[in-house]
Amino acid sequence: QKEVEQNSGPLSVPEGAIASLNCTYSDRGSQSFFWYRQYSGKSPELIMSIYSNGDKEDGRFTAQLNKASQYVSLLIRDSQPSDSATYLCAVGGSGTYKYIFGTGTRLKVLA
Amino acid sequence: GAVVSQHPSRVICKSGTSVKIECRSLDFQATTMFWYRQFPKQSLMLMATSNEGSKATYEQGVEKDKFLINHASLTLSTLTVTSAHPEDSSFYICSATRDRGNYGYTFGSGTRLTVV
Repeated sequence: QKEVEQNSGPLSVPEGAIASLNCTYSDRGSQSFFWYRQYSGKSPELIMSIYSNGDKEDGRFTAQLNKASQYVSLLIRDSQPSDSATYLCAVGGSGTYKYIFGTGTRLKVLA
Repeated sequence: GAVVSQHPSRVICKSGTSVKIECRSLDFQATTMFWYRQFPKQSLMLMATSNEGSKATYEQGVEKDKFLINHASLTLSTLTVTSAHPEDSSFYICSATRDRGNYGYTFGSGTRLTVV
């Protein structure tokens, strides 16, 4: 069974610090990787996508992918209280557009 | 671009009645839409994959006769919860993709269903 695993948290970081969120996946054939942010009571919104090994930066967010080790991470620099949310990792397999979502990591940024 | 509208945002219904939830892609054609359910403090649970013009594919454990999905056009999918019971109370979210998922899903705003 294909799985995506995340630490449920909560991960607490002080305002201005770097928040590091991690995700591992079981399917070596996975091709696409996404990070979604979900505020309480709201639907997920896409933050980052990454498809090849290495780092991808977008503003304060950096996604890192290591296919050999089967993990993908999200770094949030200069964390703000408004970043407090649950972050979902999603993984797409080869030849399919059905993603598998992790259970999410709850992030709390303390003012 | 890539906006998905979901309606209604909240609905309260009596036990035994049916509720229809609509999911529309406003500015793109969605060949595939997905329906998720999320209970409090839990992750998204995929219920079914909805393909335009064909029958939906349901995940294991999801009753297809209870959760009716119709994807009659490239911009509209509906989920009908039939004979709703209190245990069906949940947050239902649709998502759509226009490019076979290569660039991520766009989620609707979700529907909070409460069955009393």
